[in-house]
Amino acid sequence: NAGVTQTPKFQVLKTGQSMTLQCAQDMNHNSMYWYRQDPGMGLRLIYYSASEGTTDKGEVPNGYNVSRLNKREFSLRLESAAPSQTSVYFCASSESPGTSNQPQHFGDGTRLSIL
Amino acid sequence: GQQVMQIPQYQHVQEGEDFTTYCNSSTTLSNIQWYKQRPGGHPVFLIQLVKSGEVKKQKRLTFQFGEAKKNSSLHITATQTTDVGTYFCAGRYNSGGYQKVTFGTGTKLQVIP
Repeated sequence: NAGVTQTPKFQVLKTGQSMTLQCAQDMNHNSMYWYRQDPGMGLRLIYYSASEGTTDKGEVPNGYNVSRLNKREFSLRLESAAPSQTSVYFCASSESPGTSNQPQHFGDGTRLSIL
Repeated sequence: GQQVMQIPQYQHVQEGEDFTTYCNSSTTLSNIQWYKQRPGGHPVFLIQLVKSGEVKKQKRLTFQFGEAKKNSSLHITATQTTDVGTYFCAGRYNSGGYQKVTFGTGTKLQVIP
């Protein structure tokens, strides 16, 4: 049971380069999320997708775009990377918000450095 | 906007001592979840509290949800080195007819053997 799979695990980019972080879940969850984690800042929501076909901005969406490709996959794109986007990125999934117990299941994270 | 604050930010304890982290929300929550993140790892769900005043236990861990559903606490009795990590609360709340989740800033626990 893979759960939530993120690729790549590590990446180094130069300022101005673009890249896409991939995320896939095999738990048939409707909701998916992208967070960034910086020291002392906790987990900050970048974008989320409550269900297939919908995406919404979170707390820190600037500089990012997302695509909910299908129910399983939710990708995060950096169009023009900046050093301020150096962070650890986590993808998560959960059941629909309307269900009673909705723990989020996290992937292992992508450690992204931008020089 | 909605804020969920956790205190303390860091805590060092001797093995065997107790530990408590507190989570405070600026608004009333629908429920609150607690997660643990080991160093270098990803957050892992521990428990969810839904009812006002609810108390749940998992072995040495005791979780409480405040009467007003705006605060919560996690208490660990007799810490062990395996308790090392960062503990996050995550509050779920209604915003414009949608259910949203905000994570707290986390409490990093270090246990000294």
